Amino acid sequence: RKEVEQDPGPFNVPEGATVAFNCTYSNSASQSFFWYRQDCRKEPKLLMSVYSSGNEDGRFTAQLNRASQYISLLIRDSKLSDSATYLCVSNDYKLSFGAGTTVTVRA
Amino acid sequence: DAGVTQSPTHLIKTRGQQVTLRCSPKSGHDTVSWYQQALGQGPQFIFQYYEEEERQRGNFPDRFSGHQFPNYSSELNVNALLLGDSALYLCASSSDGAYEQYFGPGTRLTVT
Repeated sequence: RKEVEQDPGPFNVPEGATVAFNCTYSNSASQSFFWYRQDCRKEPKLLMSVYSSGNEDGRFTAQLNRASQYISLLIRDSKLSDSATYLCVSNDYKLSFGAGTTVTVRA
Repeated sequence: DAGVTQSPTHLIKTRGQQVTLRCSPKSGHDTVSWYQQALGQGPQFIFQYYEEEERQRGNFPDRFSGHQFPNYSSELNVNALLLGDSALYLCASSSDGAYEQYFGPGTRLTVT
């Protein structure tokens, strides 16, 4: 079983819509989690850290459910510039990445 | 304030050859981690260096080795290249004790 699993998508949404997706992790000992954003052929960029039950940063909200071992990311009022692949990451002694969820925001 | 830098940007090698990739961490960071990202996959952890020693290692063969220098920069060496080693190699830096890692632009390696 992979350490972090994500729905690959793609999620194709209109501008202004809300989009949400989850990832699950297998290591119950993981203490911290992250969402990274990766544009095509570029490096991952840290979007948000999640240490407790959740975190909110502007239009982005991450929630952590330790009992069910999943993390969600919600994007409100989607912009064209939100189109990217979103990588879910768990941290035990190393970062374990999911394969990513592709989001495309259309005009 | 320079971020993480990597060189070269692109590299083409032949099976069986050896390659060395380089990384300079973000200013103030002392820990360097290396990842391999195949097309359509998330980055896979190779190893992490701190205080010039390999601190943790992922599931990669001994053909993958590394080094960290006193100025915290790092090298990734891959021997006896295989076609399957073709990937984007990412370096990430962090401060010891901090969980957040910041990535460089990567080196795209093609093995023919």
